[in-house]
Parts: sequence; structure tokens; C-alpha cells
Amino acid sequence: GQQVMQIPQYQHVQEGEDFTTYCNSSTTLSNIQWYKQRPGGHPVFLIQLVKSGEVKKQKRLTFQFGEAKKNSSLHITATQTTDVGTYFCAGPEGSQGNLIFGKGTKLSVKP
Amino acid sequence: DVKVTQSSRYLVKRTGEKVFLECVQDMDHENMFWYRQDPGLGLRLIYFSYDVKMKEKGDIPEGYSVSREKKERFSLILESASTNQTSMYLCASSLDRLGADTQYFGPGTRLTVL
Repeated sequence: GQQVMQIPQYQHVQEGEDFTTYCNSSTTLSNIQWYKQRPGGHPVFLIQLVKSGEVKKQKRLTFQFGEAKKNSSLHITATQTTDVGTYFCAGPEGSQGNLIFGKGTKLSVKP
Repeated sequence: DVKVTQSSRYLVKRTGEKVFLECVQDMDHENMFWYRQDPGLGLRLIYFSYDVKMKEKGDIPEGYSVSREKKERFSLILESASTNQTSMYLCASSLDRLGADTQYFGPGTRLTVL
């Protein structure tokens, strides 16, 4: 069945270093969404990408959607301790209205 | 602001008990979802519903059932709780079925089955 894979599973960085997480789908996606879950919290929507090759920025976060609409990445420039958490990508499953989530990348930032 | 609430943040039950987890959303969303989250396994979809009285199985429906009698409320039922159902349970809702809209999550219920 349809799968969304995300790497790495864990990433430990020093504060100020950059961070990237990658998401790959087994099928072409109509859109891809990114969520962040802080420790002890629940997933919160960050952004949705729809167009092939789309790039969106939110302050230090840069999101890209691949040309083939099967992969995506989230890049954080100069990480801060407030960036700690797990980042999930998610894509629609067929036409059912539900999302398939990647397993997430857990980011820890050492001050 | 969309608000999704769950009946309990923490719950402790005994093996064999019937457990009800309730979720309410206040934004007139069509879709509602139940996930469980376990370390290293990400978010796994248990059931979802795209309309009142409608339900669809997700990836791991075994041992669970759901009820959606009103649009704003989606209940997850563990008919006979088992220790392997100890987990974090997350409810979510989204506006409509087309295009798989943004999902809004509740705070979660951490269920421990002894």
C-alpha cells in the first residue's frame, strides 16, 4: 500500500547548526503537509505544499516539494532550543480524506 | 480557532474493562480521526469518520470500535482493554473529505492498561 517514509528518525544538533528532514512517498501526492509535535504535546500543522517544485519559508524554516511531487524536505537554519520536537510529513491517502503520516524525525538541540 | 478536546489527559484502566475515549470538535468539521502514537511507530490510524454514523477502518482497527452519533463528537471504544493497548491516543478533525485537509489534533489521552 501507499507509504510515506521519513529520515532520519533522530537528529541531535548543537544550537546554531542546521537541520534537515526528508520525506519520500511511494506515490505521487496532491499535496504534502508538515506538522510539529513538541515534547508532551500534540501534532500542530505547520504548512501545506501543493505545487510541483514549490518552496515556502517560515522564518528559519524552508519547506520544499519535489518536482515529481513524491518527496519533500524541511530545513531549519541555525536551530534554536525552541525547535526541539518531532517533525512529521503527511500526504493524502487516495481520495478518502485521511492522511498517511511519516514516522517523524525527532530533533534535539543542545544549547 | 479550531478546538479539539478529549475527555481525559490521563486514564488508567484494568485489563478487560470497557474504555470510552471521547473527542469533541467545535468547528463543524466533516472528518474525524483516531490515532494511537507509540515510540518509534509514529501515528497509526485506528478509525476515521467522514460523516455522522459513518466509519472507516484505518490501519489498526482490531480491538477498537467507534461511534459518531453527532457531527462534533467521535468516540473510541475499547471493548475489552488489554495491556498492549497502553498508548497515547490522539483525536483529530479536518474540514472536508476532498484533498485531505489540514488535521487539527486534540491534546491526547495517555491510556495505561494494567
